[in-house]
Amino acid sequence: VQLVESGGGLVLPGVPLRLSCAASGFTFRFYWMAWLRQAPGKGPEWVANIKQDGSETFYGASMKGRFIISRDNAKSSIYLQVNSLRDEDTAIYYCARAQLAGGYFDYWGLGTQVTVSS
Amino acid sequence: QSALTQPPSASGSPGQSVTVSCTGTRSDIGAYNFVSWYQFHPGTVPKLIIYEVTKRPSGVPDRFSGSKSGNTASLTVSGLQADDEADYYCSSFAGNNNFIFGPGTKVTV
Repeated sequence: VQLVESGGGLVLPGVPLRLSCAASGFTFRFYWMAWLRQAPGKGPEWVANIKQDGSETFYGASMKGRFIISRDNAKSSIYLQVNSLRDEDTAIYYCARAQLAGGYFDYWGLGTQVTVSS
Repeated sequence: QSALTQPPSASGSPGQSVTVSCTGTRSDIGAYNFVSWYQFHPGTVPKLIIYEVTKRPSGVPDRFSGSKSGNTASLTVSGLQADDEADYYCSSFAGNNNFIFGPGTKVTV
């Protein structure tokens, strides 16, 4: 299993950003997928989950409204659109495979750094 | 939902054991047997080491074990090795499709 995130970088406050995650090594369309993030010096924070066919999505309480998770099973990829970036969105953003039945994330990517600063 | 509580650090000598606690509430750890633990080594992919309180994924040594009592979960690493030095984070399902994490414990060997 391999998960590779991309799309991070130094961005200005208020601009949108789209992160990508390419998956390989497993049958992607069979699994829920997730985004998590980790701000400097903090523990991980769950951002969002998306169902196998993309028909259901769930977001952390502080993520609703500005974050949109999506997937493309043909490309074995998930995406995270973040609108109106704020300083507090500065974090490493991780893609993970989710095992919702057991409430855990069994494979993670290396992450992509997002730094919001003017 | 508030984050879980973990001690900032723990340490042990090679070969010894160390236990890391993770305290939640009756709405998360106390309500569900969905506690997981993750090992973060700088520069490497985060690794799941315990799920559903006590289960170990394939490939994780049996030196790692998990338990839960009430609102507190624990991770024990026995037979400490140099490579066990890392940050460890606990997580719990908290209902309503919500997952929460602790602030992490730095284990020093």
